[in-house]
Amino acid sequence: EAQLLESGGDLVQPGGSLRLSCAASGFTFSSYAMTWVRQAPGKGLEWVSGIISGGGANTYYADSVKGRFTISRDNSQNILYLQMNSLRAEDTAVYYCARDAKVFDYWGQGTLVTVSS
Amino acid sequence: DIVMTQSPDSLAVSLGERATINCKSSQSVSYSPSTKNYLAWYQQKPGQPPKLLIYWASARESGVPDRFSGSGSGTDFTLTISSLQAEDVAVYYCQQYYSTSITFGQGTRLEIK
Repeated sequence: EAQLLESGGDLVQPGGSLRLSCAASGFTFSSYAMTWVRQAPGKGLEWVSGIISGGGANTYYADSVKGRFTISRDNSQNILYLQMNSLRAEDTAVYYCARDAKVFDYWGQGTLVTVSS
Repeated sequence: DIVMTQSPDSLAVSLGERATINCKSSQSVSYSPSTKNYLAWYQQKPGQPPKLLIYWASARESGVPDRFSGSGSGTDFTLTISSLQAEDVAVYYCQQYYSTSITFGQGTRLEIK
C-alpha cells in the first residue's frame, strides 16, 4: 500500500525559508503526479502546489504561494519537495503531501510549519 | 479560481438517520463530452489527514462503506450518509479538480445529535 511521510516542518521567522520533504513508498512514485495541501490551525484545506508525473516538467501553484514556493521531485529517491521562501505568518499550517491520481487518494500525516518571530 | 461553497457549515444528525451535505461550485465542473463531473468528497477526522470518499461525483473509493453516496452534476452536488454511524463524526470537504487550480469547499462539520 502507498505510504507518504512528510518531514522538515519547523518554527521559522517571517521572511525565512524551509524545505519540506515527502518520502513515498509502496507505489511507482515516478508514475504519479503529486501535490501539497495545507491546513492552517482550526481551518479548512488549501491546495498549495502540484507537479506532474515523470520528470515533473509541469508545476502548478496557488496564487497565495506563487513566486515564493517551489515544488520538485526526485524520482531516484522517491521524494517530493516543497521549497518555501519568504515565509509569512499566514503560511503557518500543517502541510500534507498527497498522491495525485486526479484526486488525492493517499495522504501523509502532515508536518507542521510555524512562521513566527 | 472556482469557488466551492458547502452547506450547511455544521450539521447534527441522530444515529441511524440520514445526513446530507451540499456543495455548489461557482462554475460547472463537468466536462461535457464525457459528462464526467470533476468533484470529490473527503472525510477528515480530528488529528488525521483527509480521506478520499467519493470521486467523479458519485464513484465510491475502495473500502468506503456503501452508506456513503455522492450525486449531482454541473454546479450542484450532494454527499449523503444514509444511516449515520458514530464513526462518521468528522469534517467533510468537497473538492473540484476540473481546473489545475484545485479548490476545496470550506468544510462541513458533522456531529451526533
